[in-house]
Amino acid sequence: EVQLVESGGGLVQPGRSLKLSCLASGFTFSNYGMNWIRQAPGKGLEWVASISSSSSYIYYADTVKGRFTISRDNAKNTLYLQMTSLRSEDTALYYCARRYLDYWGQGVMVTVSS
Amino acid sequence: DVVMTQTPVSLPVSLGGQASISCRSSQSLVHSNGNTYLHWYLQKPGQSPQLLIYRVSNRFSGVPDRFSGSGSGTDFTLKISRVEPEDLGDYYCLQSTHFPYTFGAGTKLELK
Repeated sequence: EVQLVESGGGLVQPGRSLKLSCLASGFTFSNYGMNWIRQAPGKGLEWVASISSSSSYIYYADTVKGRFTISRDNAKNTLYLQMTSLRSEDTALYYCARRYLDYWGQGVMVTVSS
Repeated sequence: DVVMTQTPVSLPVSLGGQASISCRSSQSLVHSNGNTYLHWYLQKPGQSPQLLIYRVSNRFSGVPDRFSGSGSGTDFTLKISRVEPEDLGDYYCLQSTHFPYTFGAGTKLELK
C-alpha cells in the first residue's frame, strides 16, 4: 500500500524558515518523481514544486521560486521542502504527492504569523 | 502559464441524478509525446484529494464506472451518473502537461 506521511509543519513567524518532510512507503521511491502541492485555508489547490527521481530535474511555482527548495534522499525514502523567507500567504496545508499525483499524503499545516 | 477554467463553481444535484463539470485550458494540453495530461480529483471534506480520472478518460484504481472523463485539446468534461452521497465534495481538474502544473478553481458538488 502506497503511503505518504508529511511532517514538520507548525506555526512560524514571517521571514523565518521551516523544513517539511514526506516519508514514502509501499513503492520504490527512487523510481518516482515527487511533488509538493499546497492548499490555503478554504481555497483551491496550488502546485508548488516537482523533483525527478534522481533529482536531475526540479521545477518551482513562481510564487515560491528562490525561497523554497525541494530535495530528496532516496536512501531514506524521504522528500523534503525547505521553506525560507516565509510570508503570511504561504499559510496552507502542504501535501506531498507521487509523480503523477496519483497518491497524496494527508497533508501538514504551515501557519505563518507573528 | 496554462489557465484552467473550471465550471460551474457550484453544482446542486439530486441523489441518483447526473452531473457534468467542464474544464477548459488556455492552451492545448497535448504533450510532445502525444499524451494529454488532464486529470480529475475529488476532495471530500477534511480529506486529501483523490484521483478519479487520469489522462482525460482513464479511471483510477477502485473508481466506479459512474465516473467518466472525455475531451481533447483544450476542452474536457467529467460526468458523474447516478450520484451517490459519497460523491459530494469539491472536484478539481489538473493539467500536468506544462510546467507549472495548474489546477482549476474547483466545483462544489452538493445536494439540491
